[in-house]
Amino acid sequence: QPVLTQPTSLSASPGASARFTCTLRSGINVGSYRIYWYQQKPGSLPRYLLRYKSDSDKQQGSGVPSRFSGSKDASTNAGLLLISGLQSEDEADYYCAIWYSSTSWVFGGGTKLTVL
Amino acid sequence: EVQLLESGGGLVQPGGSLRLSCAASGFTFSSYAMSWVRQAPGKGLEWVSAISGSGNSIFYADSVKGRFTISRDSSKNTLYLQMNSLRAEDTAVYYCAKGEYSSSSGSFDYWGQGTLVTVSS
Repeated sequence: QPVLTQPTSLSASPGASARFTCTLRSGINVGSYRIYWYQQKPGSLPRYLLRYKSDSDKQQGSGVPSRFSGSKDASTNAGLLLISGLQSEDEADYYCAIWYSSTSWVFGGGTKLTVL
Repeated sequence: EVQLLESGGGLVQPGGSLRLSCAASGFTFSSYAMSWVRQAPGKGLEWVSAISGSGNSIFYADSVKGRFTISRDSSKNTLYLQMNSLRAEDTAVYYCAKGEYSSSSGSFDYWGQGTLVTVSS
């Protein structure tokens, strides 16, 4: 079972909200980790969006709009990325990542967002 | 302005070697950790290796441990990745990424354009 699991795809309408999940493997407590989120548009570099551990430990990436936010769902052991007011330019792949066991970075497999 | 410029990619036969470089500018190079992250064609991001700002702490993904070596030269503001015993599955675009902190635990806040490594006979 991978350390981080993300759904392959997500679709939403312009103006709506999108909720991305990043589920940590059983035995790895989401509460212990900062969850990092990256956006990669087709043909472009990855871009750092934000990190979230708690409401008192979070950071927005430089220039990232406030409609991008992070959260957690302890009941499902998942980190969440929320995008409100979806725009067509938000179509991209979204990756979560953690600094795992203080020895390695782990990325999730990525979720492709389609804004229809 | 932070700039990261990778070079050294190309076509190499299985079992061969290649050294990637990443020339950094626009920030105090020795104060920040650096990483290599790769992306196979049509696939997701995979972290490869990280080195702290001082160079004293080095980490590798299990998939490259024992074959790849990361290093940095602060006099040249350059990050390196020596890749030996290359396999087909190492084929990817290799990005260098600047860390948020001197330690390797922070976000990747800047990324280079990437250099393509193709391992094929």
